[in-house]
Amino acid sequence: LAKTTQPISMDSYEGQEVNITCSHNNIATNDYITWYQQFPSQGPRFIIQGYKTKVTNEVASLFIPADRKSSTLSLPRVSLSDTAVYYCLVGEAVTGFQKLVFGTGTRLLVSP
Amino acid sequence: DARVTQTPRHKVTEMGQEVTMRCQPILGHNTVFWYRQTMMQGLELLAYFRNRAPLDDSGMPKDRFSAEMPDATLATLKIQPSEPRDSAVYFCASGFAPPERESPNEQFFGPGTRLTVL
Repeated sequence: LAKTTQPISMDSYEGQEVNITCSHNNIATNDYITWYQQFPSQGPRFIIQGYKTKVTNEVASLFIPADRKSSTLSLPRVSLSDTAVYYCLVGEAVTGFQKLVFGTGTRLLVSP
Repeated sequence: DARVTQTPRHKVTEMGQEVTMRCQPILGHNTVFWYRQTMMQGLELLAYFRNRAPLDDSGMPKDRFSAEMPDATLATLKIQPSEPRDSAVYFCASGFAPPERESPNEQFFGPGTRLTVL
């Protein structure tokens, strides 16, 4: 399975841009890169998904270099409510489906 | 606002008892996932269903866990007998996977069932 490595925790302040980088050196050709957000006592919530280059939605941007061995989730102008755990996932085809493996995630703390 | 629902939200039981957790996926979704989350192991995939058929349950302890989808609106995860090490939050997620894709782009998670086995 493609393994992901991301920082255990990050600190930021309101209004700042936060970039969380994830390494996935063994990513396969057909793998997508997906990011989820999880608040305490809730299930994870999809943020963004990409395959290569850059993807942007109303919440975040995802930057993927040409070799796809890493990706960076960018959160513009974070607020206190962005305090959460962020998971980087890389899927791999296993018996006909993309098995997503959640790692330990990055715990983001946004302070006033 | 379509959501995945799970019942019960909390369950406290004694070792050896049977536990059944239920999940109602979002209408129209054709995939269902069961996950378990603990502090030590994080989020682990237990089982995956597509069009109600189990495609993968390699993450599930076979001797005591079982997962089923009696119909498209209900998925169940059963533990019999339960053990203290089963204490965790169990999440159900659903998504729509088009025929040309192996899995959904996005999984929608329910609120989870917090299980405590004494």
